[in-house]
Amino acid sequence: QVKLLQSGAELVKPGASVKLSCKTSGFTFSTSYMSWLKQVPGPSIEWIGWIYAGDGGTNYNQKFKGKATLTVDKSSSTAYMDLSSLTSEDAAVYFCARITTHGVYFDYWGQGVMVTVSS
Amino acid sequence: DTVLTQSPALAVSLGQRVTISCRASKSVSTYMHWYQQKSGQQPKLLIYSASNLESGVPSRFSGSGSGTDFTLTIDPVEADDIANYYCQQSNELPLTFGSGTKLEIK
Repeated sequence: QVKLLQSGAELVKPGASVKLSCKTSGFTFSTSYMSWLKQVPGPSIEWIGWIYAGDGGTNYNQKFKGKATLTVDKSSSTAYMDLSSLTSEDAAVYFCARITTHGVYFDYWGQGVMVTVSS
Repeated sequence: DTVLTQSPALAVSLGQRVTISCRASKSVSTYMHWYQQKSGQQPKLLIYSASNLESGVPSRFSGSGSGTDFTLTIDPVEADDIANYYCQQSNELPLTFGSGTKLEIK
């Protein structure tokens, strides 16, 4: 079955960077679009961007350009997101999710990872 | 960006019917999708393209609407349905979500 397993919670200092991972299984990763989303208590969800695992092509929400960088490793069927220059506004739960083959919505989600920004 | 507006919370009695609304700031055709998120969990896809039930989702969930007004209906409501419900549009980028409706039991 389809699984998306995210890395564990992160505690990072302001100004630092963090790399989150999302290891997938149960589907053909190399022909899939993977997305990352941010959820802050409130509890709204924001779309950060997507990456096509086949060629690494990306599409970002303008709001997150310069903040997030999406990459993939096809050999391990893993998607990554780098978050740079972290501030308190980046503290959130981050989800990876697979975009369906039928439309731009999300049929499978990772369990989420909490990122805390604190000195 | 397309803004999606949802009522913050709804209270319903078990066994009753509830409709959760989502209004878009511009037409999204039928590119509207619904998710359920229980406390501490990831969102789960319920309805895609306005009215299509995702595989494995109970038939007491249904969706309708087009253009700017959409509804998610649960009939009858069960205790397991206590969650936050989000709409998401894919008519244009950036993809956007509503702020969620918290379903509570009376």
